[in-house]
Amino acid sequence: EAQVTQNPRYLITVTGKKLTVTCSQNMNHEYMSWYRQDPGLGLRQIYYSMNVEVTDKGDVPEGYKVSRKEKRNFPLILESPSPNQTSLYFCASSIQGEEKLFFGSGTQLSVL
Amino acid sequence: QKEVEQNSGPLSVPEGAIASLNCTYSDRGSQSFFWYRQYSGKSPELIMSIYSNGDKEDGRFTAQLNKASQYVSLLIRDSQPSDSATYLCAPQGGKLIFGQGTELSVKP
Repeated sequence: EAQVTQNPRYLITVTGKKLTVTCSQNMNHEYMSWYRQDPGLGLRQIYYSMNVEVTDKGDVPEGYKVSRKEKRNFPLILESPSPNQTSLYFCASSIQGEEKLFFGSGTQLSVL
Repeated sequence: QKEVEQNSGPLSVPEGAIASLNCTYSDRGSQSFFWYRQYSGKSPELIMSIYSNGDKEDGRFTAQLNKASQYVSLLIRDSQPSDSATYLCAPQGGKLIFGQGTELSVKP
């Protein structure tokens, strides 16, 4: 089944404790992206990647890191999480960035 | 100026009515648009895409695009309670950014 898999689904952590949210797609898509969603603010793009080893900042990249060492994986790293990063996070992929996005199920992150 | 703006919600309509959702965009280079529907706590799903000026119909949904006015809309005819969700507008291409979404509530 074609899908984007995000883990974990829920995560509670404390300020400053490094964490990684994983994202994997099995559709051989070149484009992958991370979004955060906060009430009243819609989906805001954090980082995106047009292909392996090619990443670029979205609208809200501060406090986040990404890497794209393999085509299928695009992990989101929070080196030192802060409470303002409490949010619902979505990973998404598409064939080449010009088409329909396939979304993961989301990760609800709470930073205490 | 925000790149994509949607009419602020929540929008409430009675069952069976027409719901009208609007979106304006600032990038004149945007050629086509997606409408996504998102149920509370779920991930967005694509419901319509439109690539050229005019109307595109798919069942109860009609997307309208006016590139000269930089305006795209989604009409939902015969609205059902199951249509209650947040609707997100997204210009195609590039960074694939989204509008802030319009929450629609269909009352039985």
